[in-house]
Amino acid sequence: DTAVSQTPKYLVTQMGNDKSIKCEQNLGHDTMYWYKQDSKKFLKIMFSYNNKELIINETVPNRFSPKSPDKAHLNLHINSLELGDSAVYFCASSPITNTHSPLHFGNGTRLTVT
Amino acid sequence: GNSVTQMEGPVTLSEEAFLTINCTYTATGYPSLFWYVQYPGEGLQLLLKATKADDKGSNKGFEATYRKETTSFHLEKGSVQVSDSAVYFCALRGRTASKLTFGTGTRLQVTL
Repeated sequence: DTAVSQTPKYLVTQMGNDKSIKCEQNLGHDTMYWYKQDSKKFLKIMFSYNNKELIINETVPNRFSPKSPDKAHLNLHINSLELGDSAVYFCASSPITNTHSPLHFGNGTRLTVT
Repeated sequence: GNSVTQMEGPVTLSEEAFLTINCTYTATGYPSLFWYVQYPGEGLQLLLKATKADDKGSNKGFEATYRKETTSFHLEKGSVQVSDSAVYFCALRGRTASKLTFGTGTRLQVTL
């Protein structure tokens, strides 16, 4: 039983295309996140939703648009893909009411833009 | 704001050597502290955590102690194995913060 699952695992596409990554969690958590991991392994928060409400929106180009249809799902849509968008994108979840709690991560989506 | 500083890698050790990966943090109040591990080609797994000063987190032979006086959370293991080769991330979560703030990661390479 996968706790946080992302699809697809790999995504190869050309510059200018639009693509989406999907994430689902079955942990009953009320908060979900998108993180970006660059080629040097640095992890940076992009967005966070709590009960379908956007609560964190870091400095991210507006070509990136998250959507949370319900608290168990958080999708990431990217318009007009650029070479610099190539990275691994991680979805995560956590109960917001407990800041002792770790974030639980999915296995990542490796996006390659050519 | 909150920040985490980790020692630069890569760290290369022989099997059965002692491991220390340094981690210090800057935060207001008393954050919770975590170590995550990322094996090659895989996602992030929680390795251990500590939620208050002097707590010791431990798992799979790894340990880290929350030191408020030195704002540190160094990761240690007495005898590393080749299978411990991975990237290790120190992270913190503030008392009022939803997000995790990560260090830059330290790559560990263990050889026979």
